[in-house]
Amino acid sequence: DSGVTQTPKHLITATGQRVTLRCSPRSGDLSVYWYQQSLDQGLQFLIQYYNGEERAKGNILERFSAQQFPDLHSELNLSSLELGDSALYFCASSVGMGYLNANTGELFFGEGSRLTVL
Amino acid sequence: GQQLNQSPQSMFIQEGEDVSMNCTSSSIFNTWLWYKQDPGEGPVLLIALYKAGELTSNGRLTAQFGITRKDSFLNISASIPSDVGIYFCAGKAQGAQKLVFGQGTRLTINP
Repeated sequence: DSGVTQTPKHLITATGQRVTLRCSPRSGDLSVYWYQQSLDQGLQFLIQYYNGEERAKGNILERFSAQQFPDLHSELNLSSLELGDSALYFCASSVGMGYLNANTGELFFGEGSRLTVL
Repeated sequence: GQQLNQSPQSMFIQEGEDVSMNCTSSSIFNTWLWYKQDPGEGPVLLIALYKAGELTSNGRLTAQFGITRKDSFLNISASIPSDVGIYFCAGKAQGAQKLVFGQGTRLTINP
């Protein structure tokens, strides 16, 4: 158990719909990262938050948005869903921002939310 | 941007065989991490490396931080069925805000 909690574990929805994925980081971790993993693909970095503020952005579509709340949990919102959005979405957390020398850079991943768009 | 080339993309081996995989980067990293992902699960950190030349073991797994700081290797000795999964390397350059992940090596063990 990594200590990172993601809900829901599975989600099936239709094209055009909107969903929200939720992540609770490990206790004490201030950074939250979102990754997308399509079938048999690698991990595509979407976005990072640190202590409520956006810190880094990857290949995140404009239809997707995220935020980190004062209690440090994060939500990833996916709207106007398309078939190609079907994937595993992972949340990961770490202690620091990721670029401080003192930060080990280690990420701890949740079990993922599997999104199926029909 | 930073890129990681992980190879091989897939491996099909017999139980008991040793496994080697590696990652190379286009830039210098100060952290190399190796993760394993079981089917339907999130990646789990196996080994973390922080110094060039560092060699670290975790049971049957051994990883090395290349002396050029642009590569890393993971070896698994005497593979067993539970080693099946996808292995990802990840690296971070000094001053970088995020990890860069390799594309993964899918390990399949034939009975």
